[in-house]
Amino acid sequence: GENVEQHPSTLSVQEGDSAVIKCTYSDSASNYFPWYKQELGKRPQLIIDIRSNVGEKKDQRIAVTLNKTAKHFSLHITETQPEDSAVYFCAAGSNTGKLIFGQGTTLQVKP
Amino acid sequence: EAGVAQSPRYKIIEKRQSVAFWCNPISGHATLYWYQQILGQGPKLLIQFQNNGVVDDSQLPKDRFSAERLKGVDSTLKIQPAKLEDSAVYLCASSSLAANTGELFFGEGSRLTVL
Repeated sequence: GENVEQHPSTLSVQEGDSAVIKCTYSDSASNYFPWYKQELGKRPQLIIDIRSNVGEKKDQRIAVTLNKTAKHFSLHITETQPEDSAVYFCAAGSNTGKLIFGQGTTLQVKP
Repeated sequence: EAGVAQSPRYKIIEKRQSVAFWCNPISGHATLYWYQQILGQGPKLLIQFQNNGVVDDSQLPKDRFSAERLKGVDSTLKIQPAKLEDSAVYLCASSSLAANTGELFFGEGSRLTVL
């Protein structure tokens, strides 16, 4: 069945450093790759997404890259700030509307 | 614009009891999802509705879980009988897209504790 693997499970960086989270997916029909941020006790919220016809997308300090051949995509956060501390989930979706999530990465940004 | 509404927010039951969760999606959203999020894990899709039809329920434990979306708006998720491993947050989400995948808007979740 469809599967999304996410690494690392935890990531600790100093404020101002960059953070990278990587995901791989198994379903070759996947064409939509969002990233969600979930703060403790709150709902997941979309922070950035990319479709399969694009290789990279940027939004201020956040960027996502996609390698369809290798079936992996990554989230890059530059100049990290303490408020970036949260759990980040990658996901993969297809034309059916089905969205499969990765296991999550707990990011800690130390001041 | 009102978000996705879920109730109850918290529920504590004993094993073998039953429980029901309710979700009201964003107005006009065709697709509704129920996800199970166990502590420390990613959301796991239980069931996906498009309007009032089931698109995917391959991960729904049908011997104990059931869900419906009558009239293509509100949805209820029921667990009967509950097991200890059902302790989780049940997240409802909706999307405006009827086909393809787009942004999911999540509710606050219903936290279930099974004792």
